[in-house]
Formats: sequence, structure tokens, C-alpha cells
Amino acid sequence: DGGITQSPKYLFRKEGQNVTLSCEQNLNHDAMYWYRQDPGQGLRLIYYSQIVNDFQKGDIAEGYSVSREKKESFPLTVTSAQKNPTAFYLCASRPGNSYEQYFGPGTRLTVT
Amino acid sequence: QKEVEQNSGPLSVPEGAIASLNCTYSDRGSQSFFWYRQYSGKSPELIMFIYSNGDKEDGRFTAQLNKASQYVSLLIRDSQPSDSATYLCAVTGSARQLTFGSGTQLTVLP
Repeated sequence: DGGITQSPKYLFRKEGQNVTLSCEQNLNHDAMYWYRQDPGQGLRLIYYSQIVNDFQKGDIAEGYSVSREKKESFPLTVTSAQKNPTAFYLCASRPGNSYEQYFGPGTRLTVT
Repeated sequence: QKEVEQNSGPLSVPEGAIASLNCTYSDRGSQSFFWYRQYSGKSPELIMFIYSNGDKEDGRFTAQLNKASQYVSLLIRDSQPSDSATYLCAVTGSARQLTFGSGTQLTVLP
């Protein structure tokens, strides 16, 4: 059963704690992306990776970090430096020869 | 100026009518254009993409692209209550990144 999985679906943390969001895909897609969505807003790009062991900052990378050690996995760490971490986090992937991105189910992070 | 702008909405149409969703973009070099549907609390789902000027039809959906006017639209014919969602327009930039509009919320009234 192919697809993109994100876990957990809901995540609650105290302010000042780092938290890591999981994103896994078994679609053999080359590129992976992390977006953030705030209520009533479109999606904003945090980080993206086009190949293993390489990634680039998006528009709002401050306070976030990523790794891409395997093609299938692109975890996102939300650090304590992120000022407003409460949001809906979406992971997407893209086949190497196309422009279309496909999204996982998302993780809703609440920091209090 | 926002790079991708969508009509602000919310948009309400009666069941069976045509819903028209509009999007303009600022980067003349953009090559690929996408429409995603997002139900409340869910992740976006790709429903249409278009690369060339003109119309592209898929079932009840038609995407229209006019690169000279930097305008892309989505028509939904015979709208159903199940079409009620937020529709996101997205445009490619460098490195095949997508830039999203803020979305138009559509409500189809039974």
C-alpha cells in the first residue's frame, strides 16, 4: 500500500521543548518537502530535499531543522527557537520527472 | 505583493451550478499550475494540473490557463455538496518548488 505517512496525527508539547515530526514515503519519490499551514492561510515552505543527504531552506526555515539520510524519510525537528510553532505541518513528495507534489495526512502540533 | 493571489471568497453556489475559482500569479517564468482541494482538517489533494495555455478537462473539472494574463482558473460543473472545501492554487517556481495562494473556500448549498 503506497503512500506518504506522517506521525503522529496530533502532537502536544510544552514551550521550550524540541519535537521531531516524522514523514515516510514508499513511492520511490526523489524530492520531499515540509510545509506549514496556519488557520485560513495557504502553505508556506519550510525545507525541501531533492536528493539524499542534501536539503535546502525554504521561505520560513528559521527555528526548524531537517535531515535526509534515506530516500524514504525526511523528519522535521521544530526547535525551541521557533517563535510560533503551533500549526498544521504537511509533508509532500514529488517524483523526479514531474512537478506534481503529493501530500501526507499532516501533523497538527500544539505548543503551550 | 503576493506571488499567488486567489479571489478572497468565501464563495457559495447552489447545487448543480458552475463554481468558478480564480488565481493570478506574478512570476512570468512559472511553467506549471496546480489546483488542490482541501477539506477542513485534512491535507491538500491534487485535483488538476495544467502546463499549457488553454483548457484542460477532467470529469466535472476544467482548468484554464492564460500565461499572457498570468491567470489560471478552475471551473467545477454540476457542483455537489461534496465539493465544499477550500481550493488552493499553486504555481511552480525555481527548483520545482510550489508557491501557494491562500485558498478560496467554496460552499455548495443543497
